[in-house]
Amino acid sequence: EIVMTQSPATLSVSPGDRATLSCRASQSVGSKLAWYQQTPGQAPRLLIYGASTRATGIPARFSGSGSGTEFTLTISSMQSEDFAVYYCHQYNDWPRTFGQGTKVEIK
Amino acid sequence: EVQLVESGGGLVQPGGSLRLSCSASGFTFSSFTMHWVRQAPGKGLDLVSGINNNGNSIFYSDSVKGRFTISRDNSKNTVYLQMSSLGAEDTAVYYCVKVSAWYDNWGQGTLVTVSP
Repeated sequence: EIVMTQSPATLSVSPGDRATLSCRASQSVGSKLAWYQQTPGQAPRLLIYGASTRATGIPARFSGSGSGTEFTLTISSMQSEDFAVYYCHQYNDWPRTFGQGTKVEIK
Repeated sequence: EVQLVESGGGLVQPGGSLRLSCSASGFTFSSFTMHWVRQAPGKGLDLVSGINNNGNSIFYSDSVKGRFTISRDNSKNTVYLQMSSLGAEDTAVYYCVKVSAWYDNWGQGTLVTVSP
């Protein structure tokens, strides 16, 4: 099983600042990496797939990068609605696995 | 607009059974793989089970293998998760997910609580 490790567990950011979230895979997943956002009480929402492709309707302030085992999600300027938990997800191998999540909180 | 609506969750005693349903609309259901992903209270996301578009390829996580059964009825645009021998560790919100390799659409989830 591919283990996905996200860091940090919690990130404190001020509105308007940049947030950088990391995800590491225990073995290569190529570019088969997605990012999801989850706000309290809501289902996860797809942000990024293919490591760097924004999903439909996702603002340009969200960007993804990386390949192989190292990935990054960057939020260029944090908005109030962006404070949430973010999960990475590999769909290269079975079982599909998720990182444990990074909570982005208001500083 | 894609919509996934789960139902069937609730409170069940340890050792009991429950069947979850997910009704889909807004896309050609018979063309897509569907997964069930669960989230225990305050925890992360875990794939439980998946079924391909015609039902002839099925996956179960080790934690539910032999206890859960996934199925689908393409004529009703519905995917099911039959759960048996439930234990406290199965307490979670269960999400139905439309799969395009990545998970592009999620239902709102249905809560399953296993408790005496």
